[in-house]
Amino acid sequence: DAGVIQSPRHEVTEMGQEVTLRCKPISGHDYLFWYRQTMMRGLELLIYFNNNVPIDDSGMPEDRFSAKMPNASFSTLKIQPSEPRDSAVYFCASGEGLSYEQYFGPGTRLTVT
Amino acid sequence: QQQVKQSPQSLIVQKGGISIINCAYENTAFDYFPWYQQFPGKGPALLIAIRPDVSEKKEGRFTISFNKSAKQFSLHIMDSQPGDSATYFCAASSSFYGGSQGNLIFGKGTKLSVKP
Repeated sequence: DAGVIQSPRHEVTEMGQEVTLRCKPISGHDYLFWYRQTMMRGLELLIYFNNNVPIDDSGMPEDRFSAKMPNASFSTLKIQPSEPRDSAVYFCASGEGLSYEQYFGPGTRLTVT
Repeated sequence: QQQVKQSPQSLIVQKGGISIINCAYENTAFDYFPWYQQFPGKGPALLIAIRPDVSEKKEGRFTISFNKSAKQFSLHIMDSQPGDSATYFCAASSSFYGGSQGNLIFGKGTKLSVKP
């Protein structure tokens, strides 16, 4: 398996623009997680899905953030409008049922100027 | 109560030495304690994990020690190598918090440097 795939790997955008981050989880995994990593706040869980259904979005910082999982092999995290404080590395991770193990993608480094 | 406190923030160890990273938690509902290793520019990767029914788990040079009464767990890296230089994160999770897998609560990370 290719592991969790994220795109783009780097994104530079101007404040106010819409940003869409994409994730393809490992085939067969029924959990998908979106995290944000910054120096100040470390790794933060934003939202997670089980069988394509959002379970907990309490970590989503503001209404500017939204996430979807239209099918078992694809998820998006959208920021609209983006702000400089959104600059971070965004990770997608997937996991399988009762195993508790999460497998992270390589991340998307977002820079908002 | 959801926090996982990790120390030290950074650690320098000589090649061949023992690296020790500590974590503490408060929530007794946590029932899964993994350690993740992250190299620069990469995502965190699961290194080793333990559940509270055992006090120690060893995989190669990596050992988790778990003290349920003290609500602490630690990662020991024996015979540390320069290739072990990375950031290490402890985490904790509970099946109580939604679904069967639960959320991972991460510590702030420890940057380990192993000097040749």
